[in-house]
Amino acid sequence: AQSVSQHNHHVILSEAASLELGCNYSYGGTVNLFWYVQYPGQHLQLLLKYFSGDPLVKGIKGFEAEFIKSKFSFNLRKPSVQWSDTAEYFCAVNPSGTYKYIFGTGTRLKVLA
Amino acid sequence: NAGVTQTPKFQVLKTGQSMTLQCAQDMNHEYMSWYRQDPGMGLRLIHYSVGAGITDQGEVPNGYNVSRSTTEDFPLRLLSAAPSQTSVYFCASSELIRGGSYEQYFGPGTRLTVT
Repeated sequence: AQSVSQHNHHVILSEAASLELGCNYSYGGTVNLFWYVQYPGQHLQLLLKYFSGDPLVKGIKGFEAEFIKSKFSFNLRKPSVQWSDTAEYFCAVNPSGTYKYIFGTGTRLKVLA
Repeated sequence: NAGVTQTPKFQVLKTGQSMTLQCAQDMNHEYMSWYRQDPGMGLRLIHYSVGAGITDQGEVPNGYNVSRSTTEDFPLRLLSAAPSQTSVYFCASSELIRGGSYEQYFGPGTRLTVT
C-alpha cells in the first residue's frame, strides 16, 4: 500500500539550530511531493512543492527540501530555525496522474526561544 | 478569490445528532475532498468528488455522507454523530497543474466536538 512516513513525531530545537525533518514514501511510480505547515490553531499552508526538475526545492520562510529519488525521500531543511517556526509539519505525496494525496502523520516542531 | 471556505469554524454536537459541514470553493476546481485530522494520524481522506454529481469514498467514509450538486459546493453530512467523530475537518479543492499533477488548496477547517 502507498504510504508516507515521517519518523520524527516530535522535535524540540533551540533558536538558530538547524532543522531536518525526514519524509519517506512508498510508491514506485512518478510522484509530486509537498510539505505543508500548520501553525497552532490554523489551517494547512503550503511550504513548498516538487513536481519535476531540480530536486532541491526552495519554499517560503527559508525552508528547502531535497528529493532523492533513489531513497524515496523528500526531507525538509532549514539552516536556522526561529521561535515562530513552532508548528506541525506534514509531508504529502501525490502519485502523478491521480487526484490522491497521501499524508504523513506529521512532525510537531517546538522551537525554544 | 475567497479560495476554499468552510462553515462553521467550531461545532459541538451531542451523540446521535446530525449536521452538515459546509465547504465551498470559487476557483472552478473539479476535484474536492474532505479530510479529518486527528493527533498522531495526519490527515485521512473521508470522501472525494471528481466533479458535480460524482463522489467516492476515501479511507474513512463510515458515518459520513457527501453530495456534489454543483462545482462550487461539497457538503459533508454526519448522519448520527459519535464521539469518535470528534476531530478537525478540512475541505480541499485541487487544481490540475500539468498533465496528471494536482495541487491542493485547503480550507480553514471545522473543529467538531461530539459529547
